[in-house]
Amino acid sequence: EVKLQQSGDELVRPGASVKMSCKASGYTFTDYAMHWVKQSPGQGLEWIGTIIPLIDTTSYNQKFKGKATLTADKSSNTAYMELSRLTSEDSAVYYCARSTTEGPGDWFAYWGQGTLVTVSS
Amino acid sequence: DIQMTQSPTSLAASVGESVTITCLASEDIYGSLVWYQQKPGKSPQLLIYGATILEDGIPSRFSGSGSDTQYSLKINSLQPEDFASYYCQNGLSTPYTFGAGTKLELK
Repeated sequence: EVKLQQSGDELVRPGASVKMSCKASGYTFTDYAMHWVKQSPGQGLEWIGTIIPLIDTTSYNQKFKGKATLTADKSSNTAYMELSRLTSEDSAVYYCARSTTEGPGDWFAYWGQGTLVTVSS
Repeated sequence: DIQMTQSPTSLAASVGESVTITCLASEDIYGSLVWYQQKPGKSPQLLIYGATILEDGIPSRFSGSGSDTQYSLKINSLQPEDFASYYCQNGLSTPYTFGAGTKLELK
């Protein structure tokens, strides 16, 4: 069974950074890319970017370049996303979602449970 | 970026009724349209990909149709568990973009 287990909710100060994790199990971690999606309170979904763990290649939504940094640790089957220089606009639930295809094009059959990031002083 | 315009924003219906949600892409996405269902406090769940292909385990009362820029999700004979939010996604190219969502509420 494919499972994506995300790290716990975070309360962070404005201007700080936060790093969250997504531990994958039930499949070969390097066989699929991992995506990250933002959902602001009461809002829709925004694709942040993706990482291909096998070759450590990343691709970002232009909107999140400089804000999000995606990494992966093949030894622990874990993907990470770091968000920097946090503002209230970054308060949201962040999901990891596993790639389904080898591309081009993709959709997400497997999602983590989400990490809530609250930016507040 | 491909813009996804979803309508309606909200919809009220009764158990047993049928409803249709539409999604308009700003350019041809060649059938690469994806639908998700999301319940409060939960992660999105994949319903349909490739515009018409039902994900394993999804009830057959859900169906998708469309091509080029216009797509729709139909839910027949609504069940209590279907009242949720629904999102479409451009599955063709990055940045993957989503519709703003449709909240399906019980009338």
